[in-house]
Amino acid sequence: DVKVTQSSRYLVKRTGEKVFLECVQDMDHENMFWYRQDPGLGLRLIYFSYDVKMKEKGDIPEGYSVSREKKERFSLILESASTNQTSMYLCASQGQGNYGYTFGSGTRLTVV
Amino acid sequence: AQSVAQPEDQVNVAEGNPLTVKCTYSVSGNPYLFWYVQYPNRGLQFLLKYITGDNLVKGSYGFEAEFNKSQTSFHLKKPSALVSDSALYFCAVGAGSYQLTFGKGTKLSVIP
Repeated sequence: DVKVTQSSRYLVKRTGEKVFLECVQDMDHENMFWYRQDPGLGLRLIYFSYDVKMKEKGDIPEGYSVSREKKERFSLILESASTNQTSMYLCASQGQGNYGYTFGSGTRLTVV
Repeated sequence: AQSVAQPEDQVNVAEGNPLTVKCTYSVSGNPYLFWYVQYPNRGLQFLLKYITGDNLVKGSYGFEAEFNKSQTSFHLKKPSALVSDSALYFCAVGAGSYQLTFGKGTKLSVIP
């Protein structure tokens, strides 16, 4: 089975800190995605990547950036964390022609 | 543009009764459809998918869904609900491109 691993389950950071959320997948998938999940708003796409060093903005990229230096790793960066970025962050991967996503367990980030 | 509607934020059902979680979609072209389940503080887990073929698809944990092209629906069903089915359920649609669009989720509560 494909495994998508997010480095932290729970994270508490201070306002203004630079925050790195890491996601690693082990099945050589081309496509990777970062979502945030908030009550009543569902999943909102932040960024996605369809190849190494490639990235595309999703619906809510403001305040975030990403890095994909290796195929298996897709990092989400909060340049200067703010309290409105407190949320559940979900990473997903998808192989070419695979249609479905495989999700990581999520990182619940609290910014204080 | 593709979209998904889950018209019910919450569904309550008594244990042992049949359950239905509704999903309608809008896409250009032939859709592929998914249901995912999320337990508290976890990522999304795949339940079932429709890509092509038989309109009735069976998935994990006794769930099934029926693809209805004329009604653009893909409702999730189970003949007899369990308390352990209580979770958040997401419907997702894709067509052509690799990106999926997710609904806002429906919270299912199974009452003992």
